[in-house]
Amino acid sequence: SFELTQPPSVSVSPGQTASITCSGDKLGDTYASWYQQKPGQSPVLVIYQDNKRPSGIPERFSGSNSGNTATLTISETQAMDEADYYCQAWGRFTATFGGGTKLTVL
Amino acid sequence: EVQLVESGGGLVQPGGSLRLSCADSGSNFRNYWMSWVRQAPGKGLEWVANIGQDGSEKYYVDSVKGRFTISRDNAKNSLYLQIISLRAEDTAVYYCAREGGGGRSSDYWGQGTLVTVSS
Repeated sequence: SFELTQPPSVSVSPGQTASITCSGDKLGDTYASWYQQKPGQSPVLVIYQDNKRPSGIPERFSGSNSGNTATLTISETQAMDEADYYCQAWGRFTATFGGGTKLTVL
Repeated sequence: EVQLVESGGGLVQPGGSLRLSCADSGSNFRNYWMSWVRQAPGKGLEWVANIGQDGSEKYYVDSVKGRFTISRDNAKNSLYLQIISLRAEDTAVYYCAREGGGGRSSDYWGQGTLVTVSS
């Protein structure tokens, strides 16, 4: 299965764009998903199939995946976006999560 | 509306066993693959196991093979995780999740149940 690497932390000013990367060998050959988790809450799916948003997820969330890197981009970041973010990808039969990135909006 | 509710967690001694349950209040449980994901205190998410729609396909992360068994009862809209030979490193919140999003993403998650392994 994959090993997925994320930066431990990313900081962004309100209204600016935040980018969170997820790196893995040939990650672009499979789909990447992204989950948001706020303290004390269950994860929430924010991006699936590299760049699709589930119903109810704001348009400011977008994703891409190519080569060895998937990227979650949050445009016009708001205070409510402060959370931990995890990427996920599947090997042939099993899934792997990245280590998570703490997004701080300051 | 899909609602997943886990139960069965608690304090267990090392070497003990536990059976976690996840009840789905929706009507389409049988149509989806289901996963268990765990999160140790202060740590990240770890995928543990999943099971196919009819229960015939099951997959596990290497670290739990031989100790964890995933199963389901579609008549009861329920998912299970039997855990034996518990270790301190199994201490975590265990979430069930539905693999209903595209690309095998998990679109619905339960609230989690805490398993604490300690003497």
